[in-house]
Amino acid sequence: ELKVEQNPLFLSMQEGKNYTIYCNYSTTSDRLYWYRQDPGKSLESLFVLLSNGAVKQEGRLMASLDTKARLSTLHITAAVHDLSATYFCAVGLYGNKLVFGAGTILRVKS
Amino acid sequence: GAVVSQHPSRVICKSGTSVKIECRSLDFQATTMFWYRQFPKKSLMLMATSNEGSKATYEQGVEKDKFLINHASLTLSTLTVTSAHPEDSSFYICSARGELAGGPRDTQYFGPGTRLTVL
Repeated sequence: ELKVEQNPLFLSMQEGKNYTIYCNYSTTSDRLYWYRQDPGKSLESLFVLLSNGAVKQEGRLMASLDTKARLSTLHITAAVHDLSATYFCAVGLYGNKLVFGAGTILRVKS
Repeated sequence: GAVVSQHPSRVICKSGTSVKIECRSLDFQATTMFWYRQFPKKSLMLMATSNEGSKATYEQGVEKDKFLINHASLTLSTLTVTSAHPEDSSFYICSARGELAGGPRDTQYFGPGTRLTVL
């Protein structure tokens, strides 16, 4: 059974600071997704990582994938309040199924 | 703009009644749609995979007779919660797998979700 572990589960950070969210998974996969969810809303796709060593950046967020270590990271640079949300990683399985991590609640304080 | 819609966005029903939730892909054909449920402050749990023209595949522990899924066309899947009870109250989210012109391949697009409250 695939397990997807995110940490930390809750992150409170000051504006302007940097931090990394980690996503570890227990079985082979070459597809890793990051999503953002605002309270009461559905999921917004942030990144799709499809190969070992993939790195993608959008604004203050950068995601990477190491399939050998079964690890993906979401790095936040110079956080701003608008980044406050819940962030999920999800691992792709056969049949295009996704298994989600528990989510990281991010609160950026001014 | 939104590429997957869900209807209704919120529904309140009495215990014992049935509720139908629609999921539509708006700008692409989705051969596969997925249904998830999410409890407050929790992650998404896959309930079932819906393929157009065939029976849905349910995840372990999900009652197929309670959560009826129909994928009648390449742009529409429906989830019917039959004989709903308060423990069925949850946030139900659908997603559709497909490719938008110019978009990333092999990605799922999520609907806005339906909040079901069973009294």
